Amino acid sequence: SAVISQKPSRDICQRGTSLTIQCQVDSQVTMMFWYRQQPGQSLTLIATANQGSEATYESGFVIDKFPISRPNLTFSTLTVSNMSPEDSSIYLCSVQQGRQETQYFGPGTRLLVL
Amino acid sequence: KQEVTQIPAALSVPEGENLVLNCSFTDSAIYNLQWFRQDPGKGLTSLLLIQSSQREQTSGRLNASLDKSSGRSTLYIAASQPGDSATYLCAFETSGSRLTFGEGTQLTVNP
Repeated sequence: SAVISQKPSRDICQRGTSLTIQCQVDSQVTMMFWYRQQPGQSLTLIATANQGSEATYESGFVIDKFPISRPNLTFSTLTVSNMSPEDSSIYLCSVQQGRQETQYFGPGTRLLVL
Repeated sequence: KQEVTQIPAALSVPEGENLVLNCSFTDSAIYNLQWFRQDPGKGLTSLLLIQSSQREQTSGRLNASLDKSSGRSTLYIAASQPGDSATYLCAFETSGSRLTFGEGTQLTVNP
């Protein structure tokens, strides 16, 4: 299994600002994903982070709000831009070595926007 | 669009009891099913993965089954322990490795 770390683990931010979340994996992986878990709800996929190209966003999520980078096979960042209190959530990255294989999740970043 | 339902939403049992968590889905075109546990304030821990061609997987006290024809999966936990207390999530992988999650079952095992 992959060991995944996320930074920061939590943050409190003011509305209108932006926060970049980092996801680091201890081995090269084929696929990386970003999910959001709003308070009291389950996980929703934001986007697939593609190495060397633009991320693939799910319906309801746009690049201007959630820009994503993936410069190599072990690292990705998610930025939450122009934050509002509605962005208060847990943001999790996950990795998968190949299609139909186990997805492993990072510990999450807990974001509170005031 | 895939919809995933987990029943019950919450469950409280005494230690030692065997229990079953249920997960149902609407679209049978799935690649696999994963069961996760989430502890309060923590990320997700993968418990079991069942490929669409399989019917069940076992790991220790956990057994997960998959019935695509009826659109159902169950997670069976034998001899429950207080350390099993967590939220259990099922998720289905569809095209593009997308996982669609259920709302979860919050399990409490009382000593």
